[in-house]
Amino acid sequence: AQSVTQPDIHITVSEGASLELRCNYSYGATPYLFWYVQSPGQGLQLLLKYFSGDTLVQGIKGFEAEFKRSQSSFNLRKPSVHWSDAAEYFCAVGARNAGNMLTFGGGTRLMVKP
Amino acid sequence: DVKVTQSSRYLVKRTGEKVFLECVQDMDHENMFWYRQDPGLGLRLIYFSYDVKMKEKGDIPEGYSVSREKKERFSLILESASTNQTSMYLCASRAGTGIGDEQFFGPGTRLTVL
Repeated sequence: AQSVTQPDIHITVSEGASLELRCNYSYGATPYLFWYVQSPGQGLQLLLKYFSGDTLVQGIKGFEAEFKRSQSSFNLRKPSVHWSDAAEYFCAVGARNAGNMLTFGGGTRLMVKP
Repeated sequence: DVKVTQSSRYLVKRTGEKVFLECVQDMDHENMFWYRQDPGLGLRLIYFSYDVKMKEKGDIPEGYSVSREKKERFSLILESASTNQTSMYLCASRAGTGIGDEQFFGPGTRLTVL
């Protein structure tokens, strides 16, 4: 069965600093990988996804993620964080099973210092 | 603009009560989902529906049931609420069954069972 681990429960960065959120997955085949963001009081919004091809994926709001098969990782990055990026971030892996369900990681809560 | 709405943002119920959580999507999507979100555990799938009157159990269906009588509406039912069902409940919809198809989320219902 597939699984996702987000090792950092909380991360605090200063506004303008760079950001990297870690995601490790376990899946027997080529994974479908996703990053979602949940802003306070809102539902999840898709930031980006990876299926195949270029291992560096660009998303919305200036985010990117890099797929590294050898490390089973799909880390999310942003070169310069804005205060509005404070939110909870979820990594997910899609499994090719009945319904093609997503398995989510535990989430990382990002706080941004002024 | 795509929209998934949930009937309540906050709900307080007593142990043993029957609880209905309603979700409506206006995108004519085939698939709908109910997740439970708990700190550190991320999102866990309770049930999903791939068509009207069709449903499949997710990872944690115990204590829950669902109903989908119309394409746009997916209800989660707690037959006899218990304190361990205090949680955030998220509904989502997806246009197709493709593993890469984006899921669109509602804002969530925070349920407290006393």
